[in-house]
Amino acid sequence: RKEVEQDPGPFNVPEGATVAFNCTYSNSASQSFFWYRQDCRKEPKLLMSVYSSGNEDGRFTAQLNRASQYISLLIRDSKLSDSATYLCAVNDFGNEKLTFGTGTRLTIIP
Amino acid sequence: NAGVMQNPRHLVRRRGQEARLRCSPMKGHSHVYWYRQLPEEGLKFMVYLQKENIIDESGMPKERFSAEFPKEGPSILRIQQVVRGDSAAYFCASSLNTGEFYEQYFGPGTRLTVT
Repeated sequence: RKEVEQDPGPFNVPEGATVAFNCTYSNSASQSFFWYRQDCRKEPKLLMSVYSSGNEDGRFTAQLNRASQYISLLIRDSKLSDSATYLCAVNDFGNEKLTFGTGTRLTIIP
Repeated sequence: NAGVMQNPRHLVRRRGQEARLRCSPMKGHSHVYWYRQLPEEGLKFMVYLQKENIIDESGMPKERFSAEFPKEGPSILRIQQVVRGDSAAYFCASSLNTGEFYEQYFGPGTRLTVT
């Protein structure tokens, strides 16, 4: 089983719709969780850190479910500019390296 | 508001040559990480450094790869005797501290092509 798993997609979603992705992790000792977006041939850009209580930033909401070992990202009122690959990243207690999923590709359709 | 800087952005090397990739962290950041992204694959951790120290090199190939972060100047990822399989995007990231959330910010990457 991979340490961090994501549905690769692609997700093709009409503009204005709501879309959600999950990301599962295998190590119950994982401590910190992040969502990044990566545009084609660009660097990953930090979208959100995922807090235990969940957090929201505008149209984006991130949740953590420790019992089931997954994090989620919800995008409301999707825009064309949201088209990208979304990467989840996890690091473990006492270990600073990030382990990334392979990403979920999202395309917003006009 | 300089972010993480990497150079060169593109690097072409012939098999057997050396590649040197440079990374300057964000201002005030003292933790540097190198990741590699092979075509159609995810990002893989290579090495984590602080000034003059390698903290975690568990993701570095055992041969030909080395990294440093000197007291002065950028962090350097060095690949000796490159092979075609080294062709990839190499990203550097930096973080401020080791608090609860190790938020890492990435540079634009160096795309290495080995011919």
